[in-house]
Amino acid sequence: AQTVTQSQPEMSVQEAETVTLSCTYDTSESDYYLFWYKQPPSRQMILVIRQEAYKQQNATENRFSVNFQKAAKSFSLKISDSQLGDAAMYFCAYGMDGGSQGNLIFGKGTKLSVKP
Amino acid sequence: DTGVSQNPRHKITKRGQNVTFRCDPISEHNRLYWYRQTLGQGPEFLTYFQNEAQLEKSRLLSDRFSAERPKGSFSTLEIQRTEQGDSAMYLCASSRKTTTLNYGYTFGSGTRLTVV
Repeated sequence: AQTVTQSQPEMSVQEAETVTLSCTYDTSESDYYLFWYKQPPSRQMILVIRQEAYKQQNATENRFSVNFQKAAKSFSLKISDSQLGDAAMYFCAYGMDGGSQGNLIFGKGTKLSVKP
Repeated sequence: DTGVSQNPRHKITKRGQNVTFRCDPISEHNRLYWYRQTLGQGPEFLTYFQNEAQLEKSRLLSDRFSAERPKGSFSTLEIQRTEQGDSAMYLCASSRKTTTLNYGYTFGSGTRLTVV
């Protein structure tokens, strides 16, 4: 069974600095998708960035980028120029087409605090 | 597009009572998912629908849980004979079948259940 592990329960970053959140996963599949979701205190989860496993190029969305290491099964999120609004829970998620029909498997999350 | 709507936002119930939650997905989304999120954990998959058909149920969904999606629009999640262990945030999400793993899910704000 696929699993997603986020080893950092909490992280803290100074405003305008850069922070990296870690995620590792376990799967025997070769074609899958990886996501980072943000869950602010209001509790609605928002998609931050996604990566397709067959693409070697790391995904980037404005200040958010990933470091996808397929062989190491690692999928870290880098937030540049951190802003106060980035404070939230961040969840790494794995998804695969086919048998699981697009269900996402989530890690336990990393709580990010941003210091002014 | 008004997003995914969940009602109620909060529910406090006595142990042994039945509760029902409602989710209204984005209108053009034919997939609807229910997840449960306990404190300090990531969302855990419960069940999902494609249109009105319930296609997959997690083993987390005991016999006391039932979900429906009549006419493929809104969905309800009922918990019978609630137990304190049912206390959690219940999240609903929706997606288009063809874009589920391209764009991930759109989540609602959740229903927080407290069983006393």
